[in-house]
Amino acid sequence: NAGVTQTPKFQVLKTGQSMTLQCAQDMNHNSMYWYRQDPGMGLRLIYYSASEGTTDKGEVPNGYNVSRLNKREFSLRLESAAPSQTSVYFCASTRDPSNEQFFGPGTRLTVL
Amino acid sequence: KNQVEQSPQSLIILEGKNCTLQCNYTVSPFSNLRWYKQDTGRGPVSLTIMTFSENTKSNGRYTATLDADTKQSSLHITASQLSDSASYICVVSAVGTYKYIFGTGTRLKVLA
Repeated sequence: NAGVTQTPKFQVLKTGQSMTLQCAQDMNHNSMYWYRQDPGMGLRLIYYSASEGTTDKGEVPNGYNVSRLNKREFSLRLESAAPSQTSVYFCASTRDPSNEQFFGPGTRLTVL
Repeated sequence: KNQVEQSPQSLIILEGKNCTLQCNYTVSPFSNLRWYKQDTGRGPVSLTIMTFSENTKSNGRYTATLDADTKQSSLHITASQLSDSASYICVVSAVGTYKYIFGTGTRLKVLA
């Protein structure tokens, strides 16, 4: 099993450009999450999907959209990137909220 | 406001020594508390998950304790190794939510 995979690993964008971060898990987990991690701050939840077909806003959803394409895949889209979105983005999944949460390797995004 | 605070912010110890990391939280109603290890440039990896009724849980050289009355947890690392150098993150979730509250982490460096 690959666990949670994310693409790309690194990305540099110019202000105003758009891009989609991809995430997939092969553990048959129900719930999937997108976080961002900034220096000196804990991971902050952007969006989550409790189950296939549902998505909900987290703590910092502004400027992002998500799609739960199927049970395996959960993508994060930046429609018009801003320098404030420079961060490391982590995708995670879990069978249910009481179980272990598995994280992907992260995507390091820089917006110039 | 639900919060998780960790101390110390950073710690340097010699290989073979023990250390204890602290986590205080105000999340309510409490569901579970997790400790994660995050190596530089990698996603967090779960060490332990503790529910309200659990006081202690071990994972090899890692032992977590929980005092639900005082809302405090600690992570004790025994006989530290160079590979223990990482950030250790405390995460708390509330009952009935898919959201997790992350601490900012303790950065541990183990020196030879």
